[in-house]
Amino acid sequence: QQQVKQSPQSLIVQKGGIPIINCAYENTAFDYFPWYQQFPGKGPALLIAIRPDVSEKKEGRFTISFNKSAKQFSLHIMDSQPGDSATYFCAASKIRGFGNEKLTFGTGTRLTIIP
Amino acid sequence: DAGVTQSPTHLIKTRGQQVTLRCSPISGHKSVSWYQQVLGQGPQFIFQYYEKEERGRGNFPDRFSARQFPNYSSELNVNALLLGDSALYLCASSLYFDALSYEQYFGPGTRLTVT
Repeated sequence: QQQVKQSPQSLIVQKGGIPIINCAYENTAFDYFPWYQQFPGKGPALLIAIRPDVSEKKEGRFTISFNKSAKQFSLHIMDSQPGDSATYFCAASKIRGFGNEKLTFGTGTRLTIIP
Repeated sequence: DAGVTQSPTHLIKTRGQQVTLRCSPISGHKSVSWYQQVLGQGPQFIFQYYEKEERGRGNFPDRFSARQFPNYSSELNVNALLLGDSALYLCASSLYFDALSYEQYFGPGTRLTVT
């Protein structure tokens, strides 16, 4: 019940397009859903996160859409650029209070933006 | 402000040896988590510490242990290394806005190769 399933495994989009990465979770106790961006040889960097009390959140060119009934959430990248080429991970956790959170990660999506 | 720092950057060990990895959280962050990321997969949770107390442990054998020091830095120890322990070991520090709101920031990782 701790799985987070992510798709697609890889994605190629032309510059300016809108890549969409999808995640589905099983544990209904999860109440925090972040997205991370990882470049080769680097640690994951927090992009944007959402709580289940909202259906959408935007930060710059990044948007999370959240469907609580379907237990799914997705990342949209507007006006994608070659510099967005990276591996993206969705994650989920149950917030229990200070120091009791563990992130469960998806398997990652390798995104390539072609000029 | 400095981010999460980890040392060493790379490490090569032989099967059966022991290894210690080190992490310094972002200033002011009191929680440190450790994750293992095998090539091509998402990070897997190993431990979380808050105020020097272990608050969570993932599904890893007892060969893995950790501790957090009074200055909130942390060490991850792995004994009796196996080839399968080869991975990127990530440390993350957590900023808590309140008991029910947090963000987790990752360091660059330590690449461990076991031969």
